[in-house]
Amino acid sequence: QVQLVESGGGVVQPGGSLRLSCAASGFTFSTYGMHWVRQPPGKGLEWVAFIRYDGSNTYSADSVKGRLTISRDNSRNTLYLQMNSLKTEDTALYYCARGAHGQLWSLFQHWGQGTLVTVSS
Amino acid sequence: SSELTQDPAVSVALGQTVRITCQGDTLRSYYASWYQQKPGQAPVLVIYGKNNRPSGVPDRFSGSSSGNTASLNITGAQAEDEADYYCNSRDSSGNVFFGGGTKLTVL
Repeated sequence: QVQLVESGGGVVQPGGSLRLSCAASGFTFSTYGMHWVRQPPGKGLEWVAFIRYDGSNTYSADSVKGRLTISRDNSRNTLYLQMNSLKTEDTALYYCARGAHGQLWSLFQHWGQGTLVTVSS
Repeated sequence: SSELTQDPAVSVALGQTVRITCQGDTLRSYYASWYQQKPGQAPVLVIYGKNNRPSGVPDRFSGSSSGNTASLNITGAQAEDEADYYCNSRDSSGNVFFGGGTKLTVL
């Protein structure tokens, strides 16, 4: 079955950096686009970024452009989120999620359990 | 700011039918998808496309759309349906949006 396991979260000071990972299994990772979605404590879901199945194109939310960068390594079945210049408002549970094929790329077919990032001094 | 608007809270009596709505201009061009999230759990996809249910989602869940409004319908709501529900869609520029979420209470 599809499994997505996030790791790399923790406590970091404002202005700091962190790299999140998402290990995928149970499906052919190299054929699916992937997303990062975040959820601040007690609040709603916010889409962060998407990467095409082959890494050839990425999209990201305006709120994270230039600071949070999505990437993938298909040889390791792993998705990444490099987080730089972190702000307190980046505090959230970060989920990785698998997209669907073709025109359904923007839906979230399967989700991990999330990794918590806390930005605080 | 969110491009998709949902009512913050909706309630339904056990066994009755409830409609949760999602409004946004992008819904005139793209279908909404719907997610159920229970406390302490990751979201789960329940409806996508015109009206498609992933395997394992009960058939009391259905979707519909008209103009700029998408709806998630639960026919015969059960206690286990109490959860937060989020809609999502996208635009032509590659932006992806969530609605603010609707907290469903089953009375």
